[in-house]
Formats: sequence, C-alpha cells, structure tokens
Amino acid sequence: SYVLTQPPSVSVAPGQTARISCGGNNIGGKNVHWYQQRPGQAPALVVYDDSDRPSGIPERFSGSNSGNTATLTIGTVEAGDEADYYCQVWDNTSDHPVFGGGTKLTVL
Amino acid sequence: EVQLLESGGGLVQPGGSLSLSCAASGFTFNSYVMNWVRQAPGKGLEWISGISGSGRSTYYAESVKGRFTVSRDNSKNTLYLQMNSLRAEDTAVYYCARRGSGRYFGLFDFWGQGTLVTVSS
Repeated sequence: SYVLTQPPSVSVAPGQTARISCGGNNIGGKNVHWYQQRPGQAPALVVYDDSDRPSGIPERFSGSNSGNTATLTIGTVEAGDEADYYCQVWDNTSDHPVFGGGTKLTVL
Repeated sequence: EVQLLESGGGLVQPGGSLSLSCAASGFTFNSYVMNWVRQAPGKGLEWISGISGSGRSTYYAESVKGRFTVSRDNSKNTLYLQMNSLRAEDTAVYYCARRGSGRYFGLFDFWGQGTLVTVSS
C-alpha cells in the first residue's frame, strides 16, 4: 500500500515559519490533505487539495506539493499552533485513504 | 452546523465484542460516505472502515476485515461499528468522520470527538 512519511517532530520559535514535510512516491500526482490535532481533540482539516484552506483557517496555513514531497507551511507560528499534524492522500491502488505517521509541532 | 457524536466505547475483554454508534446532525446524512478512523494511544491515525451513503457498499482496512462490520440507519442519521473478536491492538480512540462529496471525495471534512475502546483483561 501507499506509504506517507513525515518527520516525527518539528520545533519552531514563536513568530517563525514552520515547515512540515510529507514524503510519498510521486506524491505530486496526488491531492494532499492536512489535519491538525490539538492535544485531547479530534483532528481538523486545515489544508486540502495541496494548498486550499477550509473557511475559518488562517492564511498563515499554506501547502505545496511537487515530486515526492508535499509540505505544510505555517507562517508566523503561534503557541496555539502546537499540535500534531497529519498528511493524507487517497491511495488509488487500494482505493482507501492513507495517513502519514504524524508530526508533532512544538512551539519553543 | 455539522455534528458527529460517537458513543459506545468502553472496556472489553480480548475476544469480546462492542458496538459503537455515531449520531449525525446538521447535514443530509444519506448523501455522504461515512467512515471510522481510529487512533491507538500515542499513535497516528488509521482509517479502518467506510460505508456509502445508501449503505449498499462497505469498505474495510485489512486490519479489521472479517472482524468489524460497518452499517448505517439513514432514518436515524446514525452510523454504527460492530466490533467482534477484539484484540489488545484494537485499543484506540475511534472517530466517526464524514468524507467530502464530489471532487472532495478523498478528504475528511468533519470529525466527531471520538470514543475510547480499551481491550484488556
């Protein structure tokens, strides 16, 4: 099945930019979705179709996808952005959704 | 406002059974594929099952196929997950999640708060 690889953790100082990667074989040919999961809460969609944002999500959240890597970028990071972030794609081979292993974003 | 509310979690012995429910509101329930996604303690998200809007088609991850059964009652706007032959590795928070429609079929746009299932003797 299709495998998505994320770094276990990313740390960034407040006000800086955080970048979280999601690697997969030719992931640039797929639509990548990103979810934020704050401690003790359910996941929530923050970026879909590589770079679009659901209503209510700040413009600080953006995404890109090319080649074998998709990236979630969070600009001007705030303490409230501290959470686990998961990438997700649709695996056409299995016809099932697939999640990355998740990245814990720590705001220093 | 879309709301998904899971219930039915609890402690069950290995080999036992448990049934989860997810009550939906705020949208046309029978128009959406509904799913179960679980998260073991300290681990990541794992999609385990889905069901078409009509209920006629069901989908399962290999890890639960043959043991879990997904169903829905559109007259009650409720999604179910019957879990049999439970194992310790099934211990997780179980989330109900709505899949997007149309060109957004591949994403999960709304999630419930989850219900904890613990399999232990």
